[in-house]
Amino acid sequence: AQKVTQAQTEISVVEKEDVTLDCVYETRDTTYYLFWYKQPPSGELVFLIRRNSFDEQNEISGRYSWNFQKSTSSFNFTITASQVVDSAVYFCALRQTGANNLFFGTGTRLTVIP
Amino acid sequence: DAGVTQSPTHLIKTRGQQVTLRCSPKSGHDTVSWYQQALGQGPQFIFQYYEEEERQRGNFPDRFSGHQFPNYSSELNVNALLLGDSALYLCASRMQMNTEAFFGQGTRLTVV
Repeated sequence: AQKVTQAQTEISVVEKEDVTLDCVYETRDTTYYLFWYKQPPSGELVFLIRRNSFDEQNEISGRYSWNFQKSTSSFNFTITASQVVDSAVYFCALRQTGANNLFFGTGTRLTVIP
Repeated sequence: DAGVTQSPTHLIKTRGQQVTLRCSPKSGHDTVSWYQQALGQGPQFIFQYYEEEERQRGNFPDRFSGHQFPNYSSELNVNALLLGDSALYLCASRMQMNTEAFFGQGTRLTVV
């Protein structure tokens, strides 16, 4: 069975602070994909990153960085120097290799206060 | 290049009625999936269509059905609506050989 846990329901930070969103997953598969999506108030899920289970290299994209640790089944997302435009709900998701569906966590609502 | 487009954006239906939601995938995409997102929850997979056939289905009753057309667009039909069907319905498209799915803005369905 697949499960994605985002224990942080809501986080508030002041603009320019760094913030880390946690994601812990469960799967019996040896190969899988992990994703992060951003959902602004408009409702559309915006793709941020995909990570293969066999690639544990951390990634940085501008102010965003991701820390994948297979040993602890975690795929955490850090926003550096947060901005008001980062305010949204962020979802972590898991997909089995060869499967079609994404398993989503319950999301973390991030509010960046100016 | 238009992304994934869904219609309508909002819909109000009465319990027991039927509803059809529509999705046009991103240009070049041939695979369409539908998700239901209840308030405060993550999206849940309903089903996926590829080559006009349902390829995989989540844990949803038969009241939920779909269709994919030759131009890759898709419809989601829900019969005998229940109050619990009130949710944001998201359509996602991708190329079959790729892994990234792109989502539309969703249809907000309210059942009263």
